[in-house]
Amino acid sequence: NAGVTQTPKFRILKIGQSMTLQCTQDMNHNYMYWYRQDPGMGLKLIYYSVGAGITDKGEVPNGYNVSRSTTEDFPLRLELAAPSQTSVYFCASSGTHGTSYEQYFGPGTRLTVT
Amino acid sequence: KQEVTQIPAALSVPEGENLVLNCSFTDSAIYNLQWFRQDPGKGLTSLLLIQSSQREQTSGRLNASLDKSSGRSTLYIAASQPGDSATYLCAVSGLAGNQFYFGTGTSLTVIP
Repeated sequence: NAGVTQTPKFRILKIGQSMTLQCTQDMNHNYMYWYRQDPGMGLKLIYYSVGAGITDKGEVPNGYNVSRSTTEDFPLRLELAAPSQTSVYFCASSGTHGTSYEQYFGPGTRLTVT
Repeated sequence: KQEVTQIPAALSVPEGENLVLNCSFTDSAIYNLQWFRQDPGKGLTSLLLIQSSQREQTSGRLNASLDKSSGRSTLYIAASQPGDSATYLCAVSGLAGNQFYFGTGTSLTVIP
């Protein structure tokens, strides 16, 4: 099992550009999450999904969009990138009640907006 | 809104020492609590998960305890090693189990 994979690892965007961060998991988990981590801060939840076709906002959703067309994939879309979106983005997945919702994380995408 | 606090923000200990990391949370209505390790520039690795009905979990030299009523968890590391140097994060989930709130972490340095 590869677990949770994310692409790209690094990206530099200019202000106003758009991009999609890719996330795939091969553990057949229903739950998937996107977080951002700013220096010296904890992780903040951007969006999450409890299954294909179902998504919901977390703490900091503004400026982002998500979709969940399959169990495996949960892409995060940035529209009109702003310097405030410079951060490290982590995707995670977890099973449901029977697995206690233990979270597994991808390696992260380091994004710089200039 | 759930607030998670980890104190101290940084800790430096000599090799071989036993140590305790602290995590506190404001809302005791949680489903579980998970401890993670994060190495510089890397993702998060799960260390231990404690369900709300449990008091503690152990894995090797690590022991995590949970006191839900007081809103506290501790991570005990026995016989620390330089390889334990990393940032340790705790996260709690709400009763639905599908939203996690993270602390800002404790940066641990174990000096050889």
